[in-house]
Formats: sequence, structure tokens, C-alpha cells
Amino acid sequence: RKEVEQDPGPFNVPEGATVAFNCTYSNSASQSFFWYRQDCRKEPKLLMSVYSSGNEDGRFTAQLNRASQYISLLIRDSKLSDSATYLCVVNIGRDDKIIFGKGTRLHILP
Amino acid sequence: SAVISQKPSRDICQRGTSLTIQCQVDSQVTMMFWYRQQPGQSLTLIATANQGSEATYESGFVIDKFPISRPNLTFSTLTVSNMSPEDSSIYLCSVGPTEDTQYFGPGTRLTVL
Repeated sequence: RKEVEQDPGPFNVPEGATVAFNCTYSNSASQSFFWYRQDCRKEPKLLMSVYSSGNEDGRFTAQLNRASQYISLLIRDSKLSDSATYLCVVNIGRDDKIIFGKGTRLHILP
Repeated sequence: SAVISQKPSRDICQRGTSLTIQCQVDSQVTMMFWYRQQPGQSLTLIATANQGSEATYESGFVIDKFPISRPNLTFSTLTVSNMSPEDSSIYLCSVGPTEDTQYFGPGTRLTVL
């Protein structure tokens, strides 16, 4: 099992719809979880951290399920500008090693 | 937040040559990282560069192929040596990680012919 797995997509979603991504991780000792966004030909940028209690930032909601070892990202009322690749990132806690998923591509359709 | 610049932003190189990529940060940081992102793939950590010590390489990456310098707390270089077409990739430096975030440079897009 890969350390961090994501559905590569692409997800083609009409503008205004709600879309959800999941990401699974294999190391139960993982301590920190993040979602990054990467636009085409750009560097990744932190979108949000994922806390055990879940967290929300505007239209974006992140959830962590430690028992099942997955994290999720929900985007409500999607905008054209949400089109990007979303990277699931896990700090496995060993020497602060960060593992990146391959990303899920999202295309918001007008 | 840290502001990171990289030089060059892109290059096209001949097989067998070497390229040195520079990474400059606008603040002093202890740990800097070098990643590779091959086409259609996610980021793979090459090495961790700490100031005043040897870089720590990840499995599959060796110092002879990817020598790293870290002369001070705001600067690092990564050299891709004896390049082959398989080295064509985007190379990114970053600072962190912290509990909250990791900042990436804009990347260097390398094409090896």
C-alpha cells in the first residue's frame, strides 16, 4: 500500500456544485495532515491543515478519520478558480518527513 | 510567510552536463528541502539541507548525482550532475516543514536533451 493515495481524477464538476476528495494514508503514526493546491506550472501552496476535530475555511472543509486513516476535502459552491490539482500531504512523524500524494485534478466547468 | 526565489526558472541542457539551481529565502531558516516533481507525478523529496552540516539524502538519491550546498541560513544550491533525459523534471526548494506550513519556491523546469 502506498504511503499516501489519492484518486487522480480528473474530476469535472459544474460551477456551483459541491465536490469531495478523499486521501488515504498507510502509517497509523502519522501526526499532521494538510491539503495543498497546485495550479498548472506553479508551485504547491498550502490550502489548509487538517485537524482531528475537522476544520472549515470558507467554502472548504477538511476532515480527518484516524480510525480509517483517511482525510477528506469538501469544496462547496465551486468556482472556476478552484480548478487545480489538490495534493494530500501527510507528516509521518519520523524526522518530520512529509509525504505528498500524487494529487487529484479538479476541473470546474462553466 | 517566507518568500523563496529560484534560479534559473527553466533550462534546457545537453546530456552529460551539470546544472546548479539556486534557492534564496528572504529570512533565515534552519531546514531547507529539495524536491523533484516529474511529469504527472507528485513531489519526491531529494534531500534535506541543513546549514553547517552535510545534506541528508532520501533513498534513491546520492550526493555524487545531486550535490547540495548550504553556505548560510538563507541560501542553498542543488546541482544535477551528469544529466540524462530521465532527469528532466521540475526541481523545487522549500522551507519547513512546520506544524502549520511548508513554503515552496517557484521551481526550476529542467529539460535534458
